[in-house]
Amino acid sequence: AQKVTQAQTEISVVEKEDVTLDCVYETRDTTYYLFWYKQPPSGELVFLIRRNSFDEQNEISGRYSWNFQKSTSSFNFTITASQVVDSAVYFCALSEDQAAGNKLTFGGGTRVLVKP
Amino acid sequence: DVKVTQSSRYLVKRTGEKVFLECVQDMDHENMFWYRQDPGLGLRLIYFSYDVKMKEKGDIPEGYSVSREKKERFSLILESASTNQTSMYLCASSFGTGGVLYGYTFGSGTRLTVV
Repeated sequence: AQKVTQAQTEISVVEKEDVTLDCVYETRDTTYYLFWYKQPPSGELVFLIRRNSFDEQNEISGRYSWNFQKSTSSFNFTITASQVVDSAVYFCALSEDQAAGNKLTFGGGTRVLVKP
Repeated sequence: DVKVTQSSRYLVKRTGEKVFLECVQDMDHENMFWYRQDPGLGLRLIYFSYDVKMKEKGDIPEGYSVSREKKERFSLILESASTNQTSMYLCASSFGTGGVLYGYTFGSGTRLTVV
């Protein structure tokens, strides 16, 4: 069965600090997809990134970067020079290729609070 | 823009009531999902549907049922609401083929309180 673990429940930083969110996953499939979503106070989940299991390249998008390491089953997310608008709950999720409906399995989420 | 609309943002119901949570999507997506969100537990899948009249149990289906009579609408039903079903409920949809590649779209959620 697939499982996603986000060990950090809450992280508090001061604006302009970097923050790294950890995500560890378990799956038996060789083909799978990993996601990060942001949930601002409005409640709607916002898609940030998708990574498939065959692509271990790290990715950078503006102040966001992702480190995918298959050897440790981790897909960590870093926000560089954090801003107050980054305050949200962030979810890591996994979808196995063979899962019916391509359903997503989510981690418990990490609440990030960025103080001015 | 793809839109997933949940009929109510906030809902308060009494224990034992039958509760309907409605979700409508406008992009002809085959797959639809109902998740429940609780602090520290993330989102947990209750039920999903990959076609009209088709449904599959997720990880926590007990106490819930679903209905999908039309492609665009997916309803979550609490037959007899209980206080432990107080939670945020999120609906999502995706394409059936390659849905994981095109992404999932989530609604804004319904915060249900059972008193």
